[in-house]
Amino acid sequence: DAGVIQSPRHEVTEMGQEVTLRCKPISGHNSLFWYRQTMMRGLELLIYFNNNVPIDDSGMPEDRFSAKMPNASFSTLKIQPSEPRDSAVYFCASSLGAGSGWGLHFGPGTRLTVT
Amino acid sequence: AQSVTQLDSHVSVSEGTPVLLRCNYSSSYSPSLFWYVQHPNKGLQLLLKYTSAATLVKGINGFEAEFKKSETSFHLTKPSAHMSDAAEYFCVVSDGGGADGLTFGKGTHLIIQP
Repeated sequence: DAGVIQSPRHEVTEMGQEVTLRCKPISGHNSLFWYRQTMMRGLELLIYFNNNVPIDDSGMPEDRFSAKMPNASFSTLKIQPSEPRDSAVYFCASSLGAGSGWGLHFGPGTRLTVT
Repeated sequence: AQSVTQLDSHVSVSEGTPVLLRCNYSSSYSPSLFWYVQHPNKGLQLLLKYTSAATLVKGINGFEAEFKKSETSFHLTKPSAHMSDAAEYFCVVSDGGGADGLTFGKGTHLIIQP
């Protein structure tokens, strides 16, 4: 299995631009998560999908952030407009089940720099 | 409510010596507990998990952890450190509910001295 695939691996953009991060979960996994990691705040859960339906988006920081999962094999996280404080590493993770005992499989992350 | 505390932000050991990374948790439920490892510029990788079966859990790369309910601890150990073990380690507790009910510790940075 290729594992969770994320693209791009690195993104550098200017403030005000739209940024789209992409994720392909492990085949057969029915839960998908977007996390953000910064030195200051560590790992933060942004949003969680189960069977392509958003279950908990309480971690999405602002309306500038949106996430979609149009099918079981693809998800996007969009930031529009981007700001320098959005600079972070964004991880996508997938899980075989909806319960918390399954454990998460993380992608390699997208390092976002907003100047 | 649940929480997890990693007692050391940095641990430094010599190659070939034992590793101990400490984790304490609190949970209102019978928790599931995990250790993840993150190598530089990589995603998090699941090392091992405890889900109410055997209290001594063996993971990948020679790591193991013991669930001690009386001490509310889930410390990670390895008998002999290798240079490739240098990484950030995260202890994670779940509330037994949905997969979004995971609480991550702040991480312990493991340094291996040659």
